[in-house]
Amino acid sequence: LAKTTQPISMDSYEGQEVNITCSHNNIATNDYITWYQQFPSQGPRFIIQGYKTKVTNEVASLFIPADRKSSTLSLPRVSLSDTAVYYCLVAPNQAGTALIFGKGTTLSVSS
Amino acid sequence: ETGVTQTPRHLVMGMTNKKSLKCEQHLGHNAMYWYKQSAKKPLELMFVYNFKEQTENNSVPSRFSPECPNSSHLFLHLHTLQPEDSALYLCASSQAGTSNQPQHFGDGTRLSIL
Repeated sequence: LAKTTQPISMDSYEGQEVNITCSHNNIATNDYITWYQQFPSQGPRFIIQGYKTKVTNEVASLFIPADRKSSTLSLPRVSLSDTAVYYCLVAPNQAGTALIFGKGTTLSVSS
Repeated sequence: ETGVTQTPRHLVMGMTNKKSLKCEQHLGHNAMYWYKQSAKKPLELMFVYNFKEQTENNSVPSRFSPECPNSSHLFLHLHTLQPEDSALYLCASSQAGTSNQPQHFGDGTRLSIL
């Protein structure tokens, strides 16, 4: 499975846009890029998934350049409740695929 | 509500006890997973089941024994655990197919070994 690299931590203030970039230089042709959010003492929650270009849903946008060797999760106008750990994962989109979680990015949002 | 329910939410047990963790998914998925998350460490995959068949055992000690009686239920039987086994144990499920199907996680069982 492709290894990912993302910043260990980021700080932001309420109302700002936050962009978290993930590097995945060895991404394979059939790999998808998926981002999860985890609060303390809870399981990870799916945020967004994409294969190429741009994907947007009600909570975030995912930008993937043409070479797919990196991706950027964009959180518009963060609030205190967005303080969490964000994980970038790269894996084939098949049931039964083991997800390899890294240490993620700890986002701290202040007022 | 994630559609994946884990019980109990908290468990304290001695090293000689036998206990079981339960996971139930209400999403109609056919793949289920056990992960372990120790303090300050990334999630570690333990077991994967596809259509009730174990397809991956990530070098987990035999004191952890999984069971998947049907596609909606997954158990983790615990026996003679060690203090370093204290962690958050997470269950997840997903659906086979070619469309985007991420894994859905429960909120875990916080296990403490005395």
